[in-house]
Amino acid sequence: QVHLLQSGGEVKKPGASVKVSCKASGYTFIVYYIHWVRQAPGQGLEWVGRINPNDGGTVFAQKFQGRVSMTRDTSIDTVYMELTTLRSDDTAIYYCTRGATYSRENDFWGQGTLVTVSS
Amino acid sequence: QSVLTQPPSVSGAPGQRVTIFCTGSSSNIGAPYDVHWYQQFPGAAPKLLIFGNHNRPSGVPDRFSGSKSGTSASLAITGLQAEDEADYYCQSYDTSLSAVVFGGGTKVTVL
Repeated sequence: QVHLLQSGGEVKKPGASVKVSCKASGYTFIVYYIHWVRQAPGQGLEWVGRINPNDGGTVFAQKFQGRVSMTRDTSIDTVYMELTTLRSDDTAIYYCTRGATYSRENDFWGQGTLVTVSS
Repeated sequence: QSVLTQPPSVSGAPGQRVTIFCTGSSSNIGAPYDVHWYQQFPGAAPKLLIFGNHNRPSGVPDRFSGSKSGTSASLAITGLQAEDEADYYCQSYDTSLSAVVFGGGTKVTVL
């Protein structure tokens, strides 16, 4: 069975960086893109970007360019998302989710990682 | 401001039919890129409800149906049940933004 297991919650100060991991299991890791989607408290879903685990290629939403990076470790079927220069409005639950291509549906989701940015 | 527009809320009595519309543009739904729908309960991750405009994943009741026409899509819930009370999001891809885009979400309330 497909499973995406994310790392635990983080509390960071403004200006710091956070790195969230997403470990995939139950399928061939390099076949599916991993997208990151965030949800601020009481708000809707917002796409952050995606990584192709096959070649490491990344595409980010314009508002995050320059502040976000995504990497993968194919030896342990894990993807990482790092967000730098954190602000209070980055406080959100960050989800990793699997998609067959850049525009296909996201059929499996991680449990979410709460990132809290507070001084 | 979301690229895809959804009503903030819809409501209906048990057994009724409710429809959620998702309005986009020629650079996303009308491009044409597929529309997908997700259901989210409080404190839980979103769950795929409809993919490729009208397809249901295994296990999703046939009370849920999706359709698409032009630059809009819709999700219909027939025979509304108390357990359907949740937030619903539409999703597509925008070629101008080169980004996945979501609607703002619709809260379904069962009266």
